[in-house]
Amino acid sequence: NAGVMQNPRHLVRRRGQEARLRCSPMKGHSHVYWYRQLPEEGLKFMVYLQKENIIDESGMPKERFSAEFPKEGPSILRIQQVVRGDSAAYFCASSLSGTGGNTIYFGEGSWLTVV
Amino acid sequence: DQQVKQNSPSLSVQEGRISILNCDYTNSMFDYFLWYKKYPAEGPTFLISISSIKDKNEDGRFTVFLNKSAKHLSLHIVPSQPGDSAVYFCAANTNAGKSTFGDGTTLTVKP
Repeated sequence: NAGVMQNPRHLVRRRGQEARLRCSPMKGHSHVYWYRQLPEEGLKFMVYLQKENIIDESGMPKERFSAEFPKEGPSILRIQQVVRGDSAAYFCASSLSGTGGNTIYFGEGSWLTVV
Repeated sequence: DQQVKQNSPSLSVQEGRISILNCDYTNSMFDYFLWYKKYPAEGPTFLISISSIKDKNEDGRFTVFLNKSAKHLSLHIVPSQPGDSAVYFCAANTNAGKSTFGDGTTLTVKP
């Protein structure tokens, strides 16, 4: 069964370290989205990628955050020099197409805790 | 500026009764709407969707209604079951592909 796979599920980092979150989309899906859920808040869009391209990064913080979706391998969300405010659940989703009438399917999430 | 709003943070209903979850949006470019269900420590699960050319879509116990003139949609669950207790997110798409989510409504179904 090829659902959206995220790893690690849980990650603990000290302030100033780097966090790397990985996401493999559903089989056949070439569109990947990253969302963040801060404690007691909703799902906030971060970035939308297609293979080797960033389509929309309007929700990405301007500094320390980057994302990629290489031709081969999973999508990576990278957070440099983490701070306590980065502690959140990070959800990856994928879709078959990038048109408006498409449904995105989520992974189980990666929970980042910054200590 | 929040484009998708779920004004009720929580809702409690009795088992067997109807649950109605509401969602309002402001962007008239949205043309596809979705509902997701989320349990704690899990990812959101797709429930049901509706295109802007329709005003109703039904799937088993779940029905979504869309009122374009009011920019309002709702999710009806009937009959409600204790296993439906979860956070429900409304989402909306333009033709750009990404989904914009509301903040969610926590539904509690009491046995």
